[in-house]
Amino acid sequence: GAVVSQHPSWVICKSGTSVKIECRSLDFQATTMFWYRQFPKQSLMLMATSNEGSKATYEQGVEKDKFLINHASLTLSTLTVTSAHPEDSSFYICSARADNRNTEAFFGQGTRLTVV
Amino acid sequence: DAKTTQPTSMDCAEGRAANLPCNHSTISGNEYVYWYRQIHSQGPQYIIHGLKNNETNEMASLIITEDRKSSTLILPHATLRDTAVYYCIVKRGDYKLSFGAGTTVTVRA
Repeated sequence: GAVVSQHPSWVICKSGTSVKIECRSLDFQATTMFWYRQFPKQSLMLMATSNEGSKATYEQGVEKDKFLINHASLTLSTLTVTSAHPEDSSFYICSARADNRNTEAFFGQGTRLTVV
Repeated sequence: DAKTTQPTSMDCAEGRAANLPCNHSTISGNEYVYWYRQIHSQGPQYIIHGLKNNETNEMASLIITEDRKSSTLILPHATLRDTAVYYCIVKRGDYKLSFGAGTTVTVRA
């Protein structure tokens, strides 16, 4: 399958700082990328959908000013957690899809964010 | 998107086939059945998907009933590395993936 790479794999940051997570599709062009969050012992929760060159669409209850998403190219999307707080500590996962037809989405390995 | 129902957990023996059921009685004609799995602390991994015909790839087989209201994912020879949470998702091709609770599969030696 196609490869999606996330960086960093884990990060610890101080409360009040911002953290940027990168998601890259390595061997295909991703017209659509998705960002998920997963708390311990829970399922993945979709946060937002981003299409290259346009603004992200956020799910209900997700603060767009806190979770900034940029999808500047067909191979890169970034998620910035602004003014992070301990409750933002979670496992953040991105996925990428080549087009909007019936194609599967491929996932990155996830980023473990711990806010102290 | 149609909702799915999966057992919370199941055990299976190493080397044996693992049959994972999924009910999706409200599936629409243009919705596909997708299966993903998530090994602990990793991102989900795509396994297989289908519309109405049975599908097979190097990882698994997907059997969809004729009325499409249920399906079964078959891992032909389960190994310890197949221990994971398996998600059955029904959606239109251009829709986003929404994950339910899935089935926690434990393969035992």
